[in-house]
Amino acid sequence: AQSVTQPDIHITVSEGASLELRCNYSYGATPYLFWYVQSPGQGLQLLLKYFSGDTLVQGIKGFEAEFKRSQSSFNLRKPSVHWSDAAEYFCAVGRRFSGGYNKLIFGAGTRLAVHP
Amino acid sequence: DGGITQSPKYLFRKEGQNVTLSCEQNLNHDAMYWYRQDPGQGLRLIYYSQIVNDFQKGDIAEGYSVSREKKESFPLTVTSAQKNPTAFYLCASRDLETQYFGPGTRLLVL
Repeated sequence: AQSVTQPDIHITVSEGASLELRCNYSYGATPYLFWYVQSPGQGLQLLLKYFSGDTLVQGIKGFEAEFKRSQSSFNLRKPSVHWSDAAEYFCAVGRRFSGGYNKLIFGAGTRLAVHP
Repeated sequence: DGGITQSPKYLFRKEGQNVTLSCEQNLNHDAMYWYRQDPGQGLRLIYYSQIVNDFQKGDIAEGYSVSREKKESFPLTVTSAQKNPTAFYLCASRDLETQYFGPGTRLLVL
């Protein structure tokens, strides 16, 4: 069965520091990969996605992620964190089934706190 | 402005009561989804609909029901059979491989 693991439940960084959030997935083929961000009490906002091609993808708000097939990973990075980046981040894997059904499998999330 | 709206923002359910959560989208997407979010568990799929008048159970459909009479609308009913309904409910619609989410409804039990 497919699964998504985000090893870090909570991460705290200082404002201006670099950030890397880890995501590992279990899936036989090349999946569709996503990172979403959620502020408290809000819905999920798409940060970036990877389907194929260049393994380094750029997203909104200065985030990027790198797909590493050999490590089954899709880690999210940002060179300099802003206080407004404090939120919960979800990695997700998408799969297409027969009949056009498309499913997302989510990791449990990583909560990011930013110190001033 | 295109997007997904969910209402109400907060909903209170009494014992034995059915309640309905609204989800509307004007993105012209065929596929729509309902998820439940509990702390520390990520999102779990309740129901999904590929097209009007069709819907399928997700991973945790027990105690929930849906309808899809219009492309724009995918309401979720939390029935009295759902014994632990307190959660944050998120609706999404899909364009090709990407799902886009609404702002959510928080359901609380009185």
